[in-house]
Amino acid sequence: EIVLTQSPGTLSLSPGERATLSCRASQSVSSNYLAWYQQKPGQTPRLLMYGASSRATGIPDRFSGSGSGTDFTLTISRLEPEDFAVYYCQHYGDSLWTFGQGTKVEIK
Amino acid sequence: EVQVLESGGGLVQPGGSLRLSCAASGFTFRNYAMRWVRQAPGKGLEWVSSVSGGGESTAYAGSVKGRFTISRDNSKNTVYLQLSSLRAEDTAVYYCAKGGSGSSYYVFDYWGQGTLVTVSS
Repeated sequence: EIVLTQSPGTLSLSPGERATLSCRASQSVSSNYLAWYQQKPGQTPRLLMYGASSRATGIPDRFSGSGSGTDFTLTISRLEPEDFAVYYCQHYGDSLWTFGQGTKVEIK
Repeated sequence: EVQVLESGGGLVQPGGSLRLSCAASGFTFRNYAMRWVRQAPGKGLEWVSSVSGGGESTAYAGSVKGRFTISRDNSKNTVYLQLSSLRAEDTAVYYCAKGGSGSSYYVFDYWGQGTLVTVSS
């Protein structure tokens, strides 16, 4: 079973700064099945990225994704106040869906 | 507009049972997989179960296999999750989510607001 490990656990940044979030898989996975979600406090998760680098409908272009093999990255180029949230990576394979433990992006 | 609405949560004793329902609208229900994801208080997301559009294929996380059963009624645009032999560690908000389409069929693209299940004596 694939294990996804996200780092850092918490990222303290100021609005306007760049955020770089990491998702590492316990073994090589296909980037076709790697997604990212955003969850704000008290809200439902929202799909951000799929296929590691494709933005979901309505997601602004300050969000980008990259990576392959075991290492994937979600980048927010310039943090807006509404971007402070918890971010999860997710993988699918062999009829199993796996989430990382999340990275919290908080205001510094 | 896609809408997903869960119901059926509540307080149940350890060893008890509960059935969650998820009513969906705004899309051709039978064409999409539906899934359940849970989130324990203050914790991260955990996939629980999935059912294919026609209902013929199901999958479960190891932590719930043999205790939970997913099903769907395409005539009612509703998916169900039967929870049995409940344990304290099953306490969580249970989200229902719609599967994606095409090459992104594996994603959870629309989520409900969740229903809270509390397992406690």
